[in-house]
Amino acid sequence: GAGVSQSPRYKVAKRGQDVALRCDPISGHVSLFWYQQALGQGPEFLTYFQNEAQLDKSGLPSDRFFAERPEGSVSTLKIQRTQQEDSAVYLCASSLGDTGPYGYTFGSGTRLTVV
Amino acid sequence: AQSVAQPEDQVNVAEGNPLTVKCTYSVSGNPYLFWYVQYPNRGLQFLLKYITGDNLVKGSYGFEAEFNKSQTSFHLKKPSALVSDSALYFCAVRASWGNDYKLSFGAGTTVTVRA
Repeated sequence: GAGVSQSPRYKVAKRGQDVALRCDPISGHVSLFWYQQALGQGPEFLTYFQNEAQLDKSGLPSDRFFAERPEGSVSTLKIQRTQQEDSAVYLCASSLGDTGPYGYTFGSGTRLTVV
Repeated sequence: AQSVAQPEDQVNVAEGNPLTVKCTYSVSGNPYLFWYVQYPNRGLQFLLKYITGDNLVKGSYGFEAEFNKSQTSFHLKKPSALVSDSALYFCAVRASWGNDYKLSFGAGTTVTVRA
């Protein structure tokens, strides 16, 4: 597609529920990033994929967070046993490559509210 | 570690006046620097980037930014602000070398342009 698509746009989960957030990057983009943006703050890095390989997951806040990109295109961020502190906007970005000065295109995000 | 500081939480200007949003960065080696804008309930929209070359970078919607290596700054500017420029602005940095491809963002600056 023309842009990065994320679904759902909004998700309300009861505490303890599992959620799955989807990111469909721009076709042909090698790099894919997940960010977490708390209210009133800048995006914080969660994890990075180069094609299907997860090269950096240093930003995942706990082992309840898991991300995958099995075929090197669509990615899913899964949060198990959601907690209130997981409430945030989850942003996905894709880029043509990583070694060059490529721009990063962001999706509109998924706003997760844990009640 | 790489980081960005945006020293002003808010910037208020009158329409038609110059707009400046400040950013300083810290990174090993030469930086790639980016400015993004975020409107309510939207993702991040790319404004401009500095990779190399001219210190003055021109971007979308009449925005420009000046890279100053000695001051490690990358301030965003617009000669004549519009009410529609009211939004949240983020500065971001990544190293131009190595295998750390993620962008690190500042906390953001809310710009309000009054008519």
